Amino acid sequence: NAGVTQTPKFQVLKTGQSMTLQCAQDMNHNSMYWYRQDPGMGLRLIYYSASEGTTDKGEVPNGYNVSRLNKREFSLRLESAAPSQTSVYFCASIPDRASPDTQYFGPGTRLTVL
Amino acid sequence: RKEVEQDPGPFNVPEGATVAFNCTYSNSASQSFFWYRQDCRKEPKLLMSVYSSGNEDGRFTAQLNRASQYISLLIRDSKLSDSATYLCVVRRASKIIFGSGTRLSIRP
Repeated sequence: NAGVTQTPKFQVLKTGQSMTLQCAQDMNHNSMYWYRQDPGMGLRLIYYSASEGTTDKGEVPNGYNVSRLNKREFSLRLESAAPSQTSVYFCASIPDRASPDTQYFGPGTRLTVL
Repeated sequence: RKEVEQDPGPFNVPEGATVAFNCTYSNSASQSFFWYRQDCRKEPKLLMSVYSSGNEDGRFTAQLNRASQYISLLIRDSKLSDSATYLCVVRRASKIIFGSGTRLSIRP
């Protein structure tokens, strides 16, 4: 049981390049989340997915797209990276909508856009 | 206005002191409330859930005031290991929003 895994751990992009951040969980959780955290700031919700096949915008969705193709995986895509997207990206999951339990977080992806 | 607001700190207190953090949320439909702890460059970890009746876990006490839309965290007898950023978290259905965090530094 690996919990929530994220790849890659580190990435450097040039402005305008595209990439996909991968997230997977093996806990059979329904809801999954993508956050970004800028230096000295809290986590800001980019997108979330309450269940397989559904996605919703969070606080800061602009410049990102997401895909929840199955229950395990929730990917975050940057189509044309910008320096303002330099951040640490965390993926998280929770068991189900009714549960007040904790979110399980991945270790984060540190992205730098030059 | 941000949906979840916290005093960013930093709070710098001596070991053994009592320290309190506050958090306000703007959406009255919010359902669940939590405090998370985050160490530098690591993922956040749940510290405790927050209930209307108040709850305590060792040196940590959390309170929720739904009428005022206000959450608090009290840390008694603070330890050096309590130095971290404390994040207030609010959940409404599947949407989970974090505050920007309060930095706490405990000095010997």
